[in-house]
Amino acid sequence: EAGVTQFPSHSVIEKGQTVTLRCDPISGHDNLYWYRRVMGKEIKFLLHFVKESKQDESGMPNNRFLAERTGGTYSTLKVQPAELEDSGVYFCASSQDHRQGLNTFGSGTRLTVV
Amino acid sequence: GQQLNQSPQSMFIQEGEDVSMNCTSSSIFNTWLWYKQEPGEGPVLLIALYKAGELTSNGRLTAQFGITRKDSFLNISASIPSDVGIYFCAGNAGNNRKLIWGLGTSLAVNP
Repeated sequence: EAGVTQFPSHSVIEKGQTVTLRCDPISGHDNLYWYRRVMGKEIKFLLHFVKESKQDESGMPNNRFLAERTGGTYSTLKVQPAELEDSGVYFCASSQDHRQGLNTFGSGTRLTVV
Repeated sequence: GQQLNQSPQSMFIQEGEDVSMNCTSSSIFNTWLWYKQEPGEGPVLLIALYKAGELTSNGRLTAQFGITRKDSFLNISASIPSDVGIYFCAGNAGNNRKLIWGLGTSLAVNP
């Protein structure tokens, strides 16, 4: 079984540019989560999809962040325009069971905004 | 908001030693989870705890859900070099599906 795949693994962009991160969850997993870890801080929840619907997006930092999951398969997280404080590692996780802790995480996308 | 205090922040031990780390929360949690992250990878679940007082083992790892529901610990016995990584605690309260995470414990094992 393929795991959770995230692309790109690394991205370096200039302040003000746009970046789109992609997550391919494990096939058949209805639940998809985005998390972010800023250097020196804890991993923070961003949002949760159930199929194509946003179940909880209360962790999204601001309106520069837009997450989509059209068709309930892969998800994208777009940052536009990127700011320096957006730098960090963005993790995606998926699960079939809604209970927390049964998520499988991807390897993350390390975003650096310069 | 809810916070998790995870300690110690880092540990450097000799192979064969036992390791203990813990997390405390400012509020009652319903779930405690322990993850390990290796370089270039995402966190991998080690142990999940869903009931106060629960003590669960996974090989050389043992974790407990504190009876007050505000703390949890993870023990690693007879450490080996491949135990190196960052260990995170995480949990959630009530019906909230958002996980709250600790800052992590970085473990280094000297062969």
